[in-house]
Amino acid sequence: DVKVTQSSRYLVKRTGEKVFLECVQDMDHENMFWYRQDPGLGLRLIYFSYDVKMKEKGDIPEGYSVSREKKERFSLILESASTNQTSMYLCASSLTGSAEQYFGPGTRLTVT
Amino acid sequence: QKEVEQNSGPLSVPEGAIASLNCTYSDRGSQSFFWYRQYSGKSPELIMFIYSNGDKEDGRFTAQLNKASQYVSLLIRDSQPSDSATYLCAARFGASGGSYIPTFGRGTSLIVHP
Repeated sequence: DVKVTQSSRYLVKRTGEKVFLECVQDMDHENMFWYRQDPGLGLRLIYFSYDVKMKEKGDIPEGYSVSREKKERFSLILESASTNQTSMYLCASSLTGSAEQYFGPGTRLTVT
Repeated sequence: QKEVEQNSGPLSVPEGAIASLNCTYSDRGSQSFFWYRQYSGKSPELIMFIYSNGDKEDGRFTAQLNKASQYVSLLIRDSQPSDSATYLCAARFGASGGSYIPTFGRGTSLIVHP
């Protein structure tokens, strides 16, 4: 079974704080993704990575950065959290050549 | 702009009925299609994928693909209250670096009432 884990289920941070969200997958998948999901807006892609140290911007990268130093781990960084970044953050992974994505449990982030 | 459209619902069906969820997509070059189920407060879970025109059955679920009309459907037979969830449709488009990024619809909420 593919397993994708995320570092926290719930997180509360203050405006201006630097926030790290971590995602780990144990199936040797090349591709990893970060999405945010908001009511009425669906899933929106923030960043993705198709290999170690490789990253590409998704649809809404502003205010976020990512890091992928190891194949199994993909981190999302909010350099200076703002209230409009309050959301559910979902990590996913997939094999190269496959669009079947496997999602982690999600992190519900609240920025106050 | 590549888009996947779904009716947000909610679609309400009685227990035991067939639930029909529909999805249309804008890009004729789309290769493959996916259905995810997402329970409230949980993450999406892949339940079906389909690549070829026609029907694909898996237990109570049937995915239908019509590439000429650019629509995908998910039928759930003998619907149960436990099927109540949001169903996300996704279509695959190619991307750089050899990765494949699906485009997701916003989901249809399904309510199965006893």
